[in-house]
Amino acid sequence: KAGVTQTPRYLIKTRGQQVTLSCSPISGHRSVSWYQQTPGQGLQFLFEYFSETQRNKGNFPGRFSGRQFSNSRSEMNVSTLELGDSALYLCASSLEGESSYNSPLHFGNGTRLTVT
Amino acid sequence: KQEVTQIPAALSVPEGENLVLNCSFTDSAIYNLQWFRQDPGKGLTSLLLIQSSQREQTSGRLNASLDKSSGRSTLYIAASQPGDSATYLCAVNDYKLSFGAGTTVTVRA
Repeated sequence: KAGVTQTPRYLIKTRGQQVTLSCSPISGHRSVSWYQQTPGQGLQFLFEYFSETQRNKGNFPGRFSGRQFSNSRSEMNVSTLELGDSALYLCASSLEGESSYNSPLHFGNGTRLTVT
Repeated sequence: KQEVTQIPAALSVPEGENLVLNCSFTDSAIYNLQWFRQDPGKGLTSLLLIQSSQREQTSGRLNASLDKSSGRSTLYIAASQPGDSATYLCAVNDYKLSFGAGTTVTVRA
């Protein structure tokens, strides 16, 4: 079974631009979560989607948004990029049910975003 | 707000020694706790998941314990090998994962 796939692996953008990252979950997984990893803040939760609906959200500004499609694939968008948005963005999928959080999360290899 | 702490931050051991990694968390209202491994520049690999009702989980050379009431988990890796060198992260799930900063392990051949 294929794992979680994130594209692209690397991105270089300029301040003020916007960027879209893509995540394909493991087949059959309906929950997709996004995390930001930086050396200073570690791993922080951005948001989670389940059945095309945002189910939970972390403490990030509105410049960070996402969506999930009917095939469970997800995209994350960051608008008006800032230098501090440089990070590894990780996507994870799980076999969660509609009201459960008991399944392990499986992570992709991430997208390394550099903002200059 | 859930706070997760991992001690020590770094560990260097000779090959064959057993590893003990500690994780503590502040809010015991969790669904489960998951241990991950991260290699440089890569994503996270799930090692073990312990449900809140469980006391331990084992997989091969890995054993993880959970004491939810005291907010602690320990990951044991038996007979360490150089390939075990990585950063180990624990994460508690209370609808989202809250991660510790990790323990970076180096196993010397």
